[in-house]
Amino acid sequence: NAGVTQTPKFQVLKTGQSMTLQCAQDMNHEYMSWYRQDPGMGLRLIHYSVGAGITDQGEVPNGYNVSRSTTEDFPLRLLSAAPSQTSVYFCASNPGTVFYEQYFGPGTRLTVT
Amino acid sequence: DQQVKQNSPSLSVQEGRISILNCDYTNSMFDYFLWYKKYPAEGPTFLISISSIKDKNEDGRFTVFLNKSAKHLSLHIVPSQPGDSAVYFCAASLTSGTYKYIFGTGTRLKVLA
Repeated sequence: NAGVTQTPKFQVLKTGQSMTLQCAQDMNHEYMSWYRQDPGMGLRLIHYSVGAGITDQGEVPNGYNVSRSTTEDFPLRLLSAAPSQTSVYFCASNPGTVFYEQYFGPGTRLTVT
Repeated sequence: DQQVKQNSPSLSVQEGRISILNCDYTNSMFDYFLWYKKYPAEGPTFLISISSIKDKNEDGRFTVFLNKSAKHLSLHIVPSQPGDSAVYFCAASLTSGTYKYIFGTGTRLKVLA
């Protein structure tokens, strides 16, 4: 199993550009989520999904869109990048209840200039 | 409003001694708690968890203590090893009707050889 994979590892965007951060897992996990990590802020939940076709907002959803068409994939879209979205983004998955720990991907470091 | 707080941004401990990392939460409805460890340029990895029906959970060198009345949990690492040097995040969740994990801001542990 590859676990949770994220692409790209690094990305630089100009203000106003759009892009999609990819996340995939091969563990057949129902629950997937996106976090951003900023200095002094810990990990903040952006969006999450409890299964294919079902998504919901986390703590900091503004400026991001998600969709979940398959169990395996959970892409995160930045609609119009802003410098405030400069961060490290982590995707995570777990089998489907809160009693299971989450498995995190290696992260995508995004810089918006 | 930070619902999960780690008030010590950093901690240094001598190798072989005990490391104690603390975490406070404000939402008394949280009923499951987890600790994650994160090395630079990697995603967080699960360390240990505890349900609110327990006050202690032990796994090898790692023990988590939960004090529900104080809304406080702590992670003890005994004995500390240089490889334990990392950032540690606590996280909390509700088990009823939501799959949101709320993370603290992290504590950077440095174990000195």
